[in-house]
Amino acid sequence: AQKITQTQPGMFVQEKEAVTLDCTYDTSDQSYGLFWYKQPSSGEMIFLIYQGSYDEQNATEGRYSLNFQKARKSANLVISASQLGDSAMYFCAMREGFENQGGKLIFGQGTELSVKP
Amino acid sequence: DAMVIQNPRYQVTQFGKPVTLSCSQTLNHNVMYWYQQKSSQAPKLLFHYYDKDFNNEADTPDNFQSRRPNTSFCFLDIRSPGLGDAAMYLCATSRVSGRNEQFFGPGTRLTVL
Repeated sequence: AQKITQTQPGMFVQEKEAVTLDCTYDTSDQSYGLFWYKQPSSGEMIFLIYQGSYDEQNATEGRYSLNFQKARKSANLVISASQLGDSAMYFCAMREGFENQGGKLIFGQGTELSVKP
Repeated sequence: DAMVIQNPRYQVTQFGKPVTLSCSQTLNHNVMYWYQQKSSQAPKLLFHYYDKDFNNEADTPDNFQSRRPNTSFCFLDIRSPGLGDAAMYLCATSRVSGRNEQFFGPGTRLTVL
C-alpha cells in the first residue's frame, strides 16, 4: 500500500529565510505523482507544486521548489524567502490509482509552518 | 474565474437530523471527490465520481451517501449525523489527463449538536 510520511508536526522559520518541509513516500508503482498543498486556517486546500516520477528536473513554482530524490523516495518542499502569509498547514500527497481514472490522493499527516516576523 | 464552490460554508445540525452539503464546479472536470477532514488530521477520501461512475471507499460508513445529477454538481448526504461526523468536508475536482491535480473548494465546516 502507498504511504506518505511527514515527520515534522510543526516548524518555525524566520521571515525572509528559507525552510524545508520533509516528505517521504512508499510505493511499488513505477509511475506516480507527488503533490504539495497548503491549507491556511480558513480550510481551503491550495495546490502548490507537482512532481511526476519520470520528471528529470526538480519542479519549481515561484518561491516553491521540490527537492525530489527518487532513490531515497523523498519529495521535500523548499520555500524560499518565507512570508508571514506562508503560515499554514502543508500536506504532501501522492496520487494513487490509474491516471486515466483520475486517481485519488493519499495525504501525509501534515506539517504546520509558523513564520515569525 | 473557474472554480469549485461549496455551500454552505458552515452548517450546524442536530444529532440524527439529515443534512446535505453541496458542491459545484465551473471547471468542467469529470472527476469529483468528497473528503472528510477532522481537526488536526489529513483529509480522508469518502468517495469519488468519475463521470457518473460512483466509487465508494471501503471504510466509508453507510451513513454517508452521494449524488451527482450532472457534471457540475455533487452532493454529500449524511443520513443520521453523529457527534463523530463533525468535521470539515472538502469537495475537489480533477481532469483525467496530465498530472490529475485536484482543485479543492473552500470546504463546509459541519457542527453536530
